[in-house]
Amino acid sequence: AAGVIQSPRHLIKEKRETATLKCYPIPRHDTVYWYQQGPGQDPQFLISFYEKMQSDKGSIPDRFSAQQFSDYHSELNMSSLELGDSALYFCASSLGRREGPIETQYFGPGTRLLVL
Amino acid sequence: AQSVTQPDIHITVSEGASLELRCNYSYGATPYLFWYVQSPGQGLQLLLKYFSGDTLVQGIKGFEAEFKRSQSSFNLRKPSVHWSDAAEYFCAVGEAAGNKLTFGGGTRVLVKP
Repeated sequence: AAGVIQSPRHLIKEKRETATLKCYPIPRHDTVYWYQQGPGQDPQFLISFYEKMQSDKGSIPDRFSAQQFSDYHSELNMSSLELGDSALYFCASSLGRREGPIETQYFGPGTRLLVL
Repeated sequence: AQSVTQPDIHITVSEGASLELRCNYSYGATPYLFWYVQSPGQGLQLLLKYFSGDTLVQGIKGFEAEFKRSQSSFNLRKPSVHWSDAAEYFCAVGEAAGNKLTFGGGTRVLVKP
């Protein structure tokens, strides 16, 4: 079965540079979520989109922005990168039409970002 | 605010032995609970979930979990561990509004031959 695709899988940037991470949800999924997992940490929710509109926002720095496009893929844009931004960034997707009281999120393999 | 606690940071178990991973949650409303597994360098794979109904839920790879409202717990179990079960396991609680997940700190499982 098709899964969530994230690109690139690995990314190395210098401080103060910008980075763009991409996420392609499972076909027919219209909701996308972004999480950040620092070294040895649990994943922290950043932001989510449903039908191209922001649906929820977590601990996302102002230097980061994201959007969802008409084909439902999403991009996370990160500017003025800092050393502390080094982390594994996960994207997850779910069906907008709920299968129950809450949607089940399916995660991609993640993008590992290293800021030097 | 909701929170999830996984008291055990590391667990070492022998292959073939049983495994139980603890998860305690704090959430004011009806909890929607998940267990995910993360193998080294990999993404998060859903093992099982609990929304309502039967408090013992079956998942993939021979895992099961039991929801105990009185103890605010959702412990994960496997009767006989395989070497391939070595990974990090995350318990999570989901919000119905907004759907975001709050994860516990994770439990790293090591399997001895």
